[in-house]
Amino acid sequence: SAVISQKPSRDICQRGTSLTIQCQVDSQVTMMFWYRQQPGQSLTLIATANQGSEATYESGFVIDKFPISRPNLTFSTLTVSNLSPEDSSIYLCSVELGQGRENYGYTFGSGTRLTVV
Amino acid sequence: SQQGEEDPQALSIQEGENATMNCSYKTSINNLQWYRQNSGRGLVHLILIRSNEREKHSGRLRVTLDTSKKSSSLLITASRAADTASYFCATEGRGTYKYIFGTGTRLKVLA
Repeated sequence: SAVISQKPSRDICQRGTSLTIQCQVDSQVTMMFWYRQQPGQSLTLIATANQGSEATYESGFVIDKFPISRPNLTFSTLTVSNLSPEDSSIYLCSVELGQGRENYGYTFGSGTRLTVV
Repeated sequence: SQQGEEDPQALSIQEGENATMNCSYKTSINNLQWYRQNSGRGLVHLILIRSNEREKHSGRLRVTLDTSKKSSSLLITASRAADTASYFCATEGRGTYKYIFGTGTRLKVLA
């Protein structure tokens, strides 16, 4: 099954700056997903990243605020731009677990805890 | 939105007791999964149940699915302090590839 390395695990950032989060997968995957988890809340899907095409964003999320790169089948980055305190959340990436999500579900990175001050 | 609603929001039990969490959703699904999250970290996949399945077991976990009621339950038997975590259901809507997560149940198992 896929193993994800997500970096950084946590960061404290100043308002107005940006943070780039990296996810490295130990096997090739078609789709990678980025989620946000606000304090005490459930996970909300930000976007789906396919290699070689632009990410598909969910309602309420825009590329200018959350640019995503997907340069190859094992790596993706999510940038959270122009940070404000409301962006303080845990950000997680995920990929299919094993051969097909319908059988095995998804595996998640360990998350990036972002605090904006 | 087909976000699942989970109840209870929080549950506190003694070690050795059983814990039951429920998830309801709004639209037809391909499958439903349960995840565990410890202390706001990454999620761990527990079990997946397909829409044509009614019950599934994995170790101390038992999951049921009632598609007519659009609901699922997760039973943890003989709970342990290490089971203390938040538990989320996630549904894949029919015809989509995306998972939508429920609101979660915070389980606390007291030693």
